[in-house]
Parts: sequence; C-alpha cells; structure tokens
Amino acid sequence: DAGITQSPRYKITETGRQVTLMCHQTWSHSYMFWYRQDLGHGLRLIYYSAAADITDKGEVSDGYVVSRSKTENFPLTLESATRSQTSVYFCASSDRWLAGVQGHQETQYFGPGTRLLVL
Amino acid sequence: AQKVTQAQTEISVVEKEDVTLDCVYETRDTTYYLFWYKQPPSGELVFLIRRNSFDEQNEISGRYSWNFQKSTSSFNFTITASQVVDSAVYFCALSGRRVKLTFGTGTRLTIIP
Repeated sequence: DAGITQSPRYKITETGRQVTLMCHQTWSHSYMFWYRQDLGHGLRLIYYSAAADITDKGEVSDGYVVSRSKTENFPLTLESATRSQTSVYFCASSDRWLAGVQGHQETQYFGPGTRLLVL
Repeated sequence: AQKVTQAQTEISVVEKEDVTLDCVYETRDTTYYLFWYKQPPSGELVFLIRRNSFDEQNEISGRYSWNFQKSTSSFNFTITASQVVDSAVYFCALSGRRVKLTFGTGTRLTIIP
C-alpha cells in the first residue's frame, strides 16, 4: 500500500539548473496537486491536474512546469532554479470532484514532501 | 477570494491540559469544505477531518473535537488532555466551488511534558 510517494526526498541544486520532482500515486485518483510550503505562508498551490493531460495553474506557478501523461504520475519541473524556489514541496491527490448543485470535495492526501535547496 | 486565518502562530501547554486551535475562514461560496491537517516534526501532512458547509454538527474523535460555527465563520479544533505526541503544526484549510485548497499559515503546538 504505497499511496503517494515523492522523489527525491532531499535535493540540493544550483541556481539556473533544471530540477524535476517526481510524484507517484497508486490510488488512481483523478486529481493531483503540487504545493510549496514556506514559513509564514502555509501551503500554496503551484499547479494541479484534473486528469491525464489536463493541468492548470495555481497561485504561485511562475518558474514551474508540470505534465501528466499518466494518471499516476505528476512531475514538477523547475526550468531554471532560483534561490526563491528553496522550499518544501508537497504533492497531493484526491478522487474525482463531482460538480453539481452542492458539489463534492474529496479529501486531498499528501506525499511525504521533498526538501529542495537552491544554492 | 478565499481566506483562512489561524491567528495563533504558536501555542504551548503543559501535558494533560486542554487546548483549542482557532480557525476563521472567508468565502463567498455557499457550498464549501473545511479541513484540518496535522504536520508532526517528521514533516508529513496527516489528514484529520473534513466538514462540509451543510453540516454544522460538532464532531468528536477520541481526544479531538471540532466546533463548526457558520455564524462566526469558524472551525475550531480542541485537543482534550493533551499529550506530547500532539506536538505538531496544525493547518486549517478551505475549499469551495473549485477543487483547490486554501490553507491557513498554521499553528505550532508544543506540549510540555
């Protein structure tokens, strides 16, 4: 029962380098999310995906790129890392969110996080 | 726009005391969901509870209880007879018509043995 995993768990890189953080879930959840956690800000949404090949920006998407070719994977790429992207990154997934008069929000379950340091 | 405010940045209590973590939210959506997550020192985020806006009944789970009051836009979390293992950062979060979660900035709870 792996659930949701992230790799690497720790990463040190240099300014300007490209970095990819991996996220994999075994629940076949439709939705996947990337958040970053910084002191004083809580968690902020970077990108999310409703299904394979469907992605959308969150509140802090600049400098990040995502893809979702398979339902179970949702990699996050920092195209040219900056020091301001030093953070803890969390991936999350949730089951289908059903639209309607009342709607239905399934719980988001989080991976263990990736600590990224950009020097 | 949605907003979640956790005004208590840090709280310290002696073991076995009761403690309440406050959460105040803002949303224009008539249907919304509220969540609490726990982040222990190991760093993972652990889901604790989800409530929808149609259900204002308070909930109790062991030593944990939640008080949801739409009139004051609050969703407070109480730990009874606190234990050292309750030491963590606790996040309140909100989602509305859209699937995205809005988090508060968290409350760091320290239980002193």
